[in-house]
Amino acid sequence: EPEVTQTPSHQVTQMGQEVILHCVPISNHLYFYWYRQILGQKVEFLVSFYNNEISEKSEIFDDQFSVERPDGSNFTLKIRSTKLEDSAMYFCASMGQDLYNEQFFGPGTRLTVL
Amino acid sequence: DQQVKQNSPSLSVQEGRISILNCDYTNSMFDYFLWYKKYPAEGPTFLISISSIKDKNEDGRFTVFLNKSAKHLSLHIVPSQPGDSAVYFCAASGQAAGNKLTFGGGTRVLVKP
Repeated sequence: EPEVTQTPSHQVTQMGQEVILHCVPISNHLYFYWYRQILGQKVEFLVSFYNNEISEKSEIFDDQFSVERPDGSNFTLKIRSTKLEDSAMYFCASMGQDLYNEQFFGPGTRLTVL
Repeated sequence: DQQVKQNSPSLSVQEGRISILNCDYTNSMFDYFLWYKKYPAEGPTFLISISSIKDKNEDGRFTVFLNKSAKHLSLHIVPSQPGDSAVYFCAASGQAAGNKLTFGGGTRVLVKP
């Protein structure tokens, strides 16, 4: 069964450093997303991407964040200068042409900013 | 922003009995409602969904009920099995294709053998 994959599973970085989180969505999907979950809090939407451009972003997704789909398979989230409060689980999701907006999630990357 | 709320943080149920999880929402523009299950160190896994034009959807042991006038939905799991022990998230989205999901805070379910 096709699935969304994410690497690395755990990333530890120093405050102020850049990190890139990697995702490989399901191959025939058209819509791509990043969400995050800070420990003990809700899963929060960050950004959606369709037709090679951002379709929606949350207020969390400020100038420090960017997304890219550099080739036909990868979808990356970059944080330019990490802050302590960026520590969270980051989930990538993708969706095909689905009537109910059913999104498929990857296993997540745990980002720890020290 | 509490557009989707799950008021019960946890639920304990005996194996074989029914689990009922509840979810309330405030945004009348939501058109699709989804339930996800999440195990520790894994991503959310889709369980079942319902459109706002329906009031019930069933898939095996899982049934979702929607009361649009009350802005309330519930997930019934019957019979509950130990493997159902996980955190369950309610999520909602608008009608447009590709809309983001807005999640509730989750309910942790423990099914006791």
